[in-house]
Amino acid sequence: QVQLQESGPGLVKPSETLSLTCTVSGGSVSSDNSYWSWIRRPPGKGLEWIGYIYSIGSTNYNPSLKSRVTISLDTSKNQFSLKLSSVTAADTAVYYCARATDYWGQGTLVTVSS
Amino acid sequence: QTVVTQEPSLTVSPGGTVTLTCASSTGAVTSGYYPNWFQQKPGQAPRALIYNTNKKHSWTPARFSGSLLGGKAALTLSGVQPEDEAEYHCLLWYGGAWVFGGGTKLTVL
Repeated sequence: QVQLQESGPGLVKPSETLSLTCTVSGGSVSSDNSYWSWIRRPPGKGLEWIGYIYSIGSTNYNPSLKSRVTISLDTSKNQFSLKLSSVTAADTAVYYCARATDYWGQGTLVTVSS
Repeated sequence: QTVVTQEPSLTVSPGGTVTLTCASSTGAVTSGYYPNWFQQKPGQAPRALIYNTNKKHSWTPARFSGSLLGGKAALTLSGVQPEDEAEYHCLLWYGGAWVFGGGTKLTVL
């Protein structure tokens, strides 16, 4: 069974870059016929799709975040990563990684504050 | 900007049946939107229930079913259990981009 685990700093300063990594076990980010997603949930709000990357490396991003988002693969470590630049308090959220939409990580809270 | 709309809250009695819906600001929801449904309880990650309108995952209880109803995607719970109290999210595909609905808080009372 596929398992995913998010990791990264829980506190990021405004205007800096948020960086998170998702480690995958029980599956392969390079050979699964699937894609790998990032989703977030700000406090008191609903889920928001951030973007995804296919195993071949092509990406799709939420148009509202596209100018600030980069998702990449590290096949040697069986991981994929999220970078979100120029963060503000509005980017405070629980961030989830997922395989497509079926298997999800437990989520990690990232707070943007000085 | 595309908006996906769900009922903010619904209440159902144990053993009852309830239908949650998911509407698109672009018009009628069809199978081409590949509707997904998720259940989320406080402090937990979302759990996938339904994909491609009505397909169940291996772990999805039989009492959950997905369909298209009146131009919307729908999730029906039949024989509701107390443990079904949760927030339910729908997700629609817009040709390369996914959009979540605002979520429905289901109370079992």
